[in-house]
Amino acid sequence: GNSVTQMEGPVTLSEEAFLTINCTYTATGYPSLFWYVQYPGEGLQLLLKATKADDKGSNKGFEATYRKETTSFHLEKGSVQVSDSAVYFCALSFYNQGGKLIFGQGTELSVKP
Amino acid sequence: NAGVTQTPKFRVLKTGQSMTLLCAQDMNHEYMYWYRQDPGMGLRLIHYSVGEGTTAKGEVPDGYNVSRLKKQNFLLGLESAAPSQTSVYFCASSSAAGATTGELFFGEGSRLTVL
Repeated sequence: GNSVTQMEGPVTLSEEAFLTINCTYTATGYPSLFWYVQYPGEGLQLLLKATKADDKGSNKGFEATYRKETTSFHLEKGSVQVSDSAVYFCALSFYNQGGKLIFGQGTELSVKP
Repeated sequence: NAGVTQTPKFRVLKTGQSMTLLCAQDMNHEYMYWYRQDPGMGLRLIHYSVGEGTTAKGEVPDGYNVSRLKKQNFLLGLESAAPSQTSVYFCASSSAAGATTGELFFGEGSRLTVL
């Protein structure tokens, strides 16, 4: 079946550190890939997406590249801020399947000043 | 802009009681979804709707019912609550275009505890 696996959390970093959150997927076919972010006490919101192999999604200093050969979509940011503390979810979906997302388990990020 | 609004935000039930969670969206979206979020398991799709009057099962539909009588509302019902239904429930909505690209808008969540 289709699934998404993320690195275990929580991840604790100091401000301005480099961030990588690993995400790999298993899918039949060619899914679109997403990173959603959930700030404390809020619902999820779309952070970035990529719809085909080698696409790079980017937003708010975060980037992720769709790697078909390694079935990965790792999230990176060069210099994290305290305000980036949140739970990050990797997800996939297939075109014309009604927007149904398959989520990874989420990775909690805590950034200390 | 309200976006996606869920009520109630918190609820405690006893085993066997029933309740309904209400989701309302003001973006005129066709698609609506109910997910549950459990520690270490991410979000799992319970039921979804592709338009007014339609509903469909997701990954974990057992023990839940839904209705979409009005385009802006999507109700999630628990007829006989069980402790295994203790979770945080998220409603989401999407336009038809957004659904093809996986761009969903989420509510703030409803925390349900079943004792």
